Amino acid sequence: KNEVEQSPQNLTAQEGEFITINCSYSVGISALHWLQQHPGGGIVSLFMLSSGKKKHGRLIATINIQEKHSSLHITASHPRDSAVYICAVRENNDMRFGAGTRLTVKP
Amino acid sequence: DTAVSQTPKYLVTQMGNDKSIKCEQNLGHDTMYWYKQDSKKFLKIMFSYNNKELIINETVPNRFSPKSPDKAHLNLHINSLELGDSAVYFCASSQLLAGGKEQFFGPGTRLTVL
Repeated sequence: KNEVEQSPQNLTAQEGEFITINCSYSVGISALHWLQQHPGGGIVSLFMLSSGKKKHGRLIATINIQEKHSSLHITASHPRDSAVYICAVRENNDMRFGAGTRLTVKP
Repeated sequence: DTAVSQTPKYLVTQMGNDKSIKCEQNLGHDTMYWYKQDSKKFLKIMFSYNNKELIINETVPNRFSPKSPDKAHLNLHINSLELGDSAVYFCASSQLLAGGKEQFFGPGTRLTVL
């Protein structure tokens, strides 16, 4: 069993829909990252959080340390949001990655 | 300006060859990483260097040898390439010691071993 589990694996939405991607982890962490991998392969760091909630534009990330769970929300989704979203947890210098959620937003 | 750059972007080579991938960051970060993304798109950390010193070395064959000539560079040398080494390799950097641990990724190097 992977130490970092993401759900769903694949997600298809219509433009404008509210998107939620979930991440659960089983190890102690110092921080959790949400990454976005574009269809071209490039990886961009969206959020790094260790508690509470962060917002950047239409993206919101939350983390519940006690429940070892994080969610990434996208409001008013757009086709350009189509990408693979990867959850990663950091324990000191070590990083463990989820398998990613492939999001497709249709116009 | 490119924050984290990797060269080459694509690398196609024969089994048994030795090859290197270079990584440079101009962010002034003190920590650099190498990750491997396999055909199933699963990312795994390979190495981490802090101030030119190795701090993570996951279970990686010793055919893989990272070299950090200075804080801004972390190169990956691979000896005796095997078919299973085919993957996309990502370099990343972060300012670990300052407490800010957000990582910035390079564009990736797609290695194909024939």
